[in-house]
Amino acid sequence: DGGITQSPKYLFRKEGQNVTLSCEQNLNHDAMYWYRQDPGQGLRLIYYSQIVNDFQKGDIAEGYSVSREKKESFPLTVTSAQKNPTAFYLCASSRLAGPSTDTQYFGPGTRLTVL
Amino acid sequence: AQSVTQPDIHITVSEGASLELRCNYSYGATPYLFWYVQSPGQGLQLLLKYFSGDTLVQGIKGFEAEFKRSQSSFNLRKPSVHWSDAAEYFCAVGGSRQAGTALIFGKGTTLSVSS
Repeated sequence: DGGITQSPKYLFRKEGQNVTLSCEQNLNHDAMYWYRQDPGQGLRLIYYSQIVNDFQKGDIAEGYSVSREKKESFPLTVTSAQKNPTAFYLCASSRLAGPSTDTQYFGPGTRLTVL
Repeated sequence: AQSVTQPDIHITVSEGASLELRCNYSYGATPYLFWYVQSPGQGLQLLLKYFSGDTLVQGIKGFEAEFKRSQSSFNLRKPSVHWSDAAEYFCAVGGSRQAGTALIFGKGTTLSVSS
């Protein structure tokens, strides 16, 4: 079945640690996105990528980094510079052309908690 | 500035009653409009989308939405609510200017269903 997978489902981080959240898609989508969700805040864009080896900052990129070495994969690293990383992180992907362009499909999410 | 407003943070509806969730947007070009639903601890599922054409769009699970350009609205409706519809609902707007740019989300409306 085609879809988006995120791992792990739950992640715990100690102060000062970097952690990496995985996002993989087998939908053959060109664009991928990372959002952060906090209660009552909706979804806020961290980074997005339209093509391999290229990505753009979103509204809240500080303290985060990404890479896009493969079309299928878009991992997000939460660095120690992110002062309040406890949140629910959602990955999404979309086509850039053809039917349903710009319709974003979401993974199941990763809940990150700082201990 | 581009934005999406969902005026109702929380709505409670009796099972079997009709439902309308409000969404207003501000966007400087022809909008693409989406409604997503999220169950607790899960990712977002696409309910329906409007790109062009008929302003009344049908979605999954018996939902429909109507695009009203003059009112900058895209309200979600369902004629008879089921207990399983209890969830959080997000309205989002994207644009036709450039594919692959991220969606702008409202802060969500939580739907509770009473028996």
